[in-house]
Amino acid sequence: NAGVTQTPKFQVLKTGQSMTLQCAQDMNHEYMSWYRQDPGMGLRLIHYSVGAGITDQGEVPNGYNVSRSTTEDFPLRLLSAAPSQTSVYFCASRNGGQGAHEQYFGPGTRLTVT
Amino acid sequence: DAKTTQPPSMDCAEGRAANLPCNHSTISGNEYVYWYRQIHSQGPQYIIHGLKNNETNEMASLIITEDRKSSTLILPHATLRDTAVYYCIGSMKTSYDKVIFGPGTSLSVIP
Repeated sequence: NAGVTQTPKFQVLKTGQSMTLQCAQDMNHEYMSWYRQDPGMGLRLIHYSVGAGITDQGEVPNGYNVSRSTTEDFPLRLLSAAPSQTSVYFCASRNGGQGAHEQYFGPGTRLTVT
Repeated sequence: DAKTTQPPSMDCAEGRAANLPCNHSTISGNEYVYWYRQIHSQGPQYIIHGLKNNETNEMASLIITEDRKSSTLILPHATLRDTAVYYCIGSMKTSYDKVIFGPGTSLSVIP
C-alpha cells in the first residue's frame, strides 16, 4: 500500500490564482480530512468527509472547496489564493470500522502564496 | 471534544524514559485520549489511544488517571529519533476527524 499520497509536494502561487491539491489513499478508508498547519502551530481542520459524496466543514473552511466523488480521492481546491493561505497542507484518512482509531497522514503539500 | 493542555516543550536524556503529560479535565466518559507525534515537518503519526485503562504498544505506554482528567505518554527508552512534537487529543471516536491538533509538546531528546 502507498498509504496516503499528496501532490504536489511544493507549490508557489500568485495572489488570485486557483489550484487543486490532490490527495489519494489506497486503503479503502471511509473518512478523509484536510488540515493546514501554520509555522509553530498545531493542525487546523479545513474540511472532512465521512464517505463518497459526503463532505462537511471543519474549523477553517473559508476559501477552500472539497468534493468526494470516489472513496480514494479527496481533492482540496483553492478558489482564489491569498497570502494568508500560505501553509503546509496535510491530508489524512481513517477506516470507519468499529475498532479503527488511527488516522493516517500524507507527507504534506507546502504552499506559498505571493 | 475535550480541551487538552500540554507543556510547550520538554527535554529528555537519550536512553531515559520520556514522560509527556496532558491535562484533559473536561473529557467526557465516551471520549478517548489519542496521542500523535510529528517528526520535523512530516505528517503526524499515530502513537496510541485509550479510554479508561492504561495501554501499551510497541511505541509507548499511556497512563490515564482514574478520574480521567489527565494522562501521561511514556516513551520508555527515548532515542534521538523520538525528538518530535507530541499531540494529545481528547475526542469521541466518531467525531475525531473534526478535532483540532493544538500546539502540542516539543520533545527534545538530548545525547
